Amino acid sequence: SQQGEEDPQALSIQEGENATMNCSYKTSINNLQWYRQNSGRGLVHLILIRSNEREKHSGRLRVTLDTSKKSSSLLITASRAADTASYFCATTSGTYKYIFGTGTRLKVLA
Amino acid sequence: KAGVTQTPRYLIKTRGQQVTLSCSPISGHRSVSWYQQTPGQGLQFLFEYFSETQRNKGNFPGRFSGRQFSNSRSEMNVSTLELGDSALYLCASSLTGSNQGTDTQYFGPGTRLTVL
Repeated sequence: SQQGEEDPQALSIQEGENATMNCSYKTSINNLQWYRQNSGRGLVHLILIRSNEREKHSGRLRVTLDTSKKSSSLLITASRAADTASYFCATTSGTYKYIFGTGTRLKVLA
Repeated sequence: KAGVTQTPRYLIKTRGQQVTLSCSPISGHRSVSWYQQTPGQGLQFLFEYFSETQRNKGNFPGRFSGRQFSNSRSEMNVSTLELGDSALYLCASSLTGSNQGTDTQYFGPGTRLTVL
């Protein structure tokens, strides 16, 4: 399967703590995106990092990309109950096709 | 601007039947992609359309087909339904569906298909 792997599969933290999730992929990529999905609904785009970038920030989100290891991480700082969701990385390698990771289910406890 | 809409939201069918799902992209978006999401297989790419042309297709049997109309609306069809086709079917639209992956995909709420 071309699908990426995400780690951990599930994560439970207290409100205010930081959450880190990792994504590994299998082929060389053009770009990597992170998406959030609330409870079996549509996905929402969070952030895009290009293959020539190593780190990117957006609000409470910090994404890193290591193309030599074919991996990316998403850090959510000062988490809130509203951050409870599943998080997916998605990669594309020039074929109009996005490959999604298996997802990390994050639960933030109030 | 209205978001991506999918109809119907829920559908129950029996094995052997066929089903057609519809997706209306955000106005001005010309690329539409379809995904199947199941607990066991996660999000799997089905196909992508741009200007009525299929540019890529995932590893699904020929029972899964799609099309795009001149107004960018898209439909997907599944014939001879099997129990394993039960899933959330998601459609996503983007401006051009750049093959560099720089386009943001905007997802619809999905159609939940149950096959009995």
